[in-house]
Amino acid sequence: DAGVIQSPRHEVTEMGQEVTLRCKPISGHNSLFWYRQTMMRGLELLIYFNNNVPIDDSGMPEDRFSAKMPNASFSTLKIQPSEPRDSAVYFCASSPDRARGYGYTFGSGTRLTVV
Amino acid sequence: EDQVTQSPEALRLQEGESSSLNCSYTVSGLRGLFWYRQDPGKGPEFLFTLYSAGEEKEKERLKATLTKKESFLHITAPKPEDSATYLCAVQPRSNYQLIWGAGTKLIIKP
Repeated sequence: DAGVIQSPRHEVTEMGQEVTLRCKPISGHNSLFWYRQTMMRGLELLIYFNNNVPIDDSGMPEDRFSAKMPNASFSTLKIQPSEPRDSAVYFCASSPDRARGYGYTFGSGTRLTVV
Repeated sequence: EDQVTQSPEALRLQEGESSSLNCSYTVSGLRGLFWYRQDPGKGPEFLFTLYSAGEEKEKERLKATLTKKESFLHITAPKPEDSATYLCAVQPRSNYQLIWGAGTKLIIKP
C-alpha cells in the first residue's frame, strides 16, 4: 500500500491567490481528516469526513477554507483567497473506523507558504 | 475539559541512555490513547494504541504503558535514529476527535 498520498509537497503562492491541496486516502479507509500544523498551535483538526460525507467542519478557520470529498479515493482542501497567516503544513490522514480507536495514517503533508 | 499535556518539551540523551516521556491526560471516558513519532518534514507515524489502564505495548526499543491518568513512552538504549518528536493523543468515548499533546522533541546524541 502506498499510504496516504498528498500533493503538492510544497506550495508557494502570493496573497490572494487560490490554493488547492489534494489527498488520496488509503483504500478501504472510510474516515478522512484534514489537519493543519504550526509551531504555535500544533496539530489542529480542520475537517472530518466519514464515508465521503463531511461530518464536522467546525475547525475550518473561516469561509475562505473549503473541503470536498467527491469519492472514497480523493479529497481536496481549497483556500480562496489565501493569506500569509495560512502558511503552515497541511496534513491529510485516513483511518479505517472512527469508532474503534484505530490509529490514523498521515500523509507526508503539504508545506504552504503564502507571501 | 479534555486535555493532553506532554513532558518534557525536549529531551537530550546520549546514545544508550534510557529514559521515559510522559503524557498526562484528562478525558471524560477514554476510548484510546495513541503515540506517534514525527520526523522533520514528515507526517506523524503511528506507533501504538493503548485502550485500558495496565496495558503495555512494545516495539523495538520503545515500550508504552498506560494508567488512568497518564501514559509513559519508555525508550531503552536509544540510538540516534530514535531522534524525533513524539506525539501523544487521546480519543474520548464521546467524540471521534483526537486531542493532541504538543509533543516531546527527543534528541539522541552519538
